[in-house]
Amino acid sequence: DAGVTQSPTHLIKTRGQQVTLRCSPKSGHDTVSWYQQALGQGPQFIFQYYEEEERQRGNFPDRFSGHQFPNYSSELNVNALLLGDSALYLCASSLGQLETQYFGPGTRLLVL
Amino acid sequence: QKEVEQDPGPLSVPEGAIVSLNCTYSNSAFQYFMWYRQYSRKGPELLMYTYSSGNKEDGRFTAQVDKSSKYISLFIRDSQPSDSATYLCATPHTGKLIFGQGTTLQVKP
Repeated sequence: DAGVTQSPTHLIKTRGQQVTLRCSPKSGHDTVSWYQQALGQGPQFIFQYYEEEERQRGNFPDRFSGHQFPNYSSELNVNALLLGDSALYLCASSLGQLETQYFGPGTRLLVL
Repeated sequence: QKEVEQDPGPLSVPEGAIVSLNCTYSNSAFQYFMWYRQYSRKGPELLMYTYSSGNKEDGRFTAQVDKSSKYISLFIRDSQPSDSATYLCATPHTGKLIFGQGTTLQVKP
């Protein structure tokens, strides 16, 4: 049974560029949440997708957007990248919005 | 004030020591608490979760919740070098997880 998978594993971008990160949830899970983890910090909630809609959003600007597909996989898009967007981006999946979340390995984004 | 506070450490102990990791929280509405373990350059892995006050034991790990003082703890007995990781406490609230900063633990052989 595959767990949560994310791609790519690493990414280097320059300021002002746009990036798309991808996540496939654990088999049987229908809810995907995205988190940003800066170095030395705990993960911060970005948003959650359920039934292809954004259900909750954390304190992140509109430059951060997402999408969920009918097969429950999800994308995180970040526009107009800033140096401060450099972080580990984590995807977590769950069966339902309120159930235990299981994390993928993350995508490490470096913005130069 | 952060909703969940955790001493970032680092904490260094010899192999075999008992380790105590702690978090405090501010919102009495928080009901569930989790401990995640995160190895370097990996995603967090769920270690334990608790609901009520008291202790929950799983092998060498014991999670403790004291709701009266809004204090949660994770104890690791007979610590091993393989326990070296960052430990994150978290609480679910309206579907999102609120994390502490994480405590980095190093267990020296």
